[in-house]
Amino acid sequence: GESVGLHLPTLSVQEGDNSIINCAYSNSASDYFIWYKQESGKGPQFIIDIRSNMDKRQGQRVTVLLNKTVKHLSLQIAATQPGDSAVYFCAEKSGGYNKLIFGAGTRLAVHP
Amino acid sequence: GAVVSQHPSWVICKSGTSVKIECRSLDFQATTMFWYRQFPKQSLMLMATSNEGSKATYEQGVEKDKFLINHASLTLSTLTVTSAHPEDSSFYICSVPGDTDTQYFGPGTRLTVL
Repeated sequence: GESVGLHLPTLSVQEGDNSIINCAYSNSASDYFIWYKQESGKGPQFIIDIRSNMDKRQGQRVTVLLNKTVKHLSLQIAATQPGDSAVYFCAEKSGGYNKLIFGAGTRLAVHP
Repeated sequence: GAVVSQHPSWVICKSGTSVKIECRSLDFQATTMFWYRQFPKQSLMLMATSNEGSKATYEQGVEKDKFLINHASLTLSTLTVTSAHPEDSSFYICSVPGDTDTQYFGPGTRLTVL
């Protein structure tokens, strides 16, 4: 079936550095993508989303890039802080369906 | 975005008993809510779509008679795990659709079946 996957299961960065978390998706019909942050024992928290008619969207310290040609999604976090340590999930949605399909997740560990 | 609560936040029960988990949309009326299950160090897997005023839609492989869903009002959906067994131990999370295609998640319920 269709799936969303991630290249890196764990990412370790130094505090203050920029982080890049990648995600590959396989459903070319997907037209909406979301990044979630999940801290231990908590529910996923919305970070940023992007529609397929865009290739870049910026938020506060975060940027999402979408490359439809290679079906790749990335989340960039600027000046990574210890509070950014969490598991990050990408999710995709296809037009006409209200279900989200989640990727495997990447754990981000920020070291002082 | 929508504010979603779940109750209880954690529950421990004996094998064979039933457990009810509540999901409430505190500031948004939701005709649809979603229930997910998450095992340790794994991703979220959609179990079912809860529909206000009608039957829930279950994903393939999810037993509807074991995981009973009732969408009683526009702000409340409940998931009842019937005859729970240790393999049902998991983190159960609900979500509510936002104004766009986004979903907002509750804090989750940790179920441990002894």
